[in-house]
Amino acid sequence: AQSVTQLGSHVSVSEGALVLLRCNYSSSVPPYLFWYVQYPNQGLQLLLKYTTGATLVKGINGFEAEFKKSETSFHLTKPSAHMSDAAEYFCAVILSTGGGNKLTFGTGTQLKVEL
Amino acid sequence: ETGVTQSPTHLIKTRGQQVTLRCSSQSGHNTVSWYQQALGQGPQFIFQYYREEENGRGNFPPRFSGLQFPNYSSELNVNALELDDSALYLCASSLMVGSYNEQFFGPGTRLTVL
Repeated sequence: AQSVTQLGSHVSVSEGALVLLRCNYSSSVPPYLFWYVQYPNQGLQLLLKYTTGATLVKGINGFEAEFKKSETSFHLTKPSAHMSDAAEYFCAVILSTGGGNKLTFGTGTQLKVEL
Repeated sequence: ETGVTQSPTHLIKTRGQQVTLRCSSQSGHNTVSWYQQALGQGPQFIFQYYREEENGRGNFPPRFSGLQFPNYSSELNVNALELDDSALYLCASSLMVGSYNEQFFGPGTRLTVL
């Protein structure tokens, strides 16, 4: 079975500051890892994904994440926060074998960006 | 290209009633997955349909059921509604061609059970 833990249900940063949202996973087989963003009253939008290959992946809106197998982590970062980044962020995992399309999500991190 | 659409956007029901939620998949997609997102939680996998057959189910009771139609649109039915069924229901469509297929989410249906 796979699971995802997101540390910090709420994160607050100043505009222009570094954004760091933490995600750790548990998986018995190599995972596929994802970050989604959800704006109020909207569905989920894929920010970035790691399946195979390069462990540093770049996504939309200046976000990136690094897959670290030794730390079972997939933290999301952005060098400089913008007001428009305020939203809820979800880390998710799919097993690379036998996982089908079943996404297992973390509980989410609400990002607040202050002036 | 039309994205994933869901209807209705909001719905209010009372305990014990039945509800049907609808999802139109993105053009060219053959798989639909349903997720329940309770307030303050991450989405939870309910089930997935591939070519009109159920292709995986999460930890939800049988009163949650679904259908997929020949045009790959889908319905989620919930019988005997309970207060805890109040949630945002998300539909995601994808094209099943391998072990991983990117899912595209609709905007969701907000269900309130009173």
